[in-house]
Amino acid sequence: GAVVSQHPSWVICKSGTSVKIECRSLDFQATTMFWYRQFPKQSLMLMATSNEGSKATYEQGVEKDKFLINHASLTLSTLTVTSAHPEDSSFYICSARLAGYGETQYFGPGTRLLVL
Amino acid sequence: LAKTTQPISMDSYEGQEVNITCSHNNIATNDYITWYQQFPSQGPRFIIQGYKTKVTNEVASLFIPADRKSSTLSLPRVSLSDTAVYYCLVARLGSGTYKYIFGTGTRLKVLA
Repeated sequence: GAVVSQHPSWVICKSGTSVKIECRSLDFQATTMFWYRQFPKQSLMLMATSNEGSKATYEQGVEKDKFLINHASLTLSTLTVTSAHPEDSSFYICSARLAGYGETQYFGPGTRLLVL
Repeated sequence: LAKTTQPISMDSYEGQEVNITCSHNNIATNDYITWYQQFPSQGPRFIIQGYKTKVTNEVASLFIPADRKSSTLSLPRVSLSDTAVYYCLVARLGSGTYKYIFGTGTRLKVLA
């Protein structure tokens, strides 16, 4: 149980284009999902908290107009990187919170973004 | 937000027991301690979670002393495939919901 998927698993795009990444909780409902970014050899950095039916909460230093988050249902959150640039190239990981005991988060497999 | 502190790296040999200790001095009453494993280019995988004393599952044990200011993840008889980064996390209430703030993690290397 508690499986989270991401799509696509990797994407290459040209500078200036927008890229959408989907995060789905497959066997549970998640009122809260999280988006992280991870650069090589570094730890995960929380970008934003996505709440179903409301606006996302962004961490300090994360541009909300550049990283658009939509959490339209209890099983789907999307992250859109708008006008992507090479410095946005990174590994993007989502997680979904399983409410109740321990506030456990279950992570997706990640999406590798390469902006040329 | 509370911070967790772990050793940056550890080496071990196949078949040995590995103990990774995490410090979380500012843990709050309602906080749980959760450990994740991450392989390169993959999302973190849940290992174990606990609140106090000892928790054991099919892959690991988690020891938490009475003051809960630290915790120890114990991996019995590690194999080469256990080479990974291990993160200790304490969920924090922020902006109306609990969230994880990742520390550096412990890079475990299992040698043959």
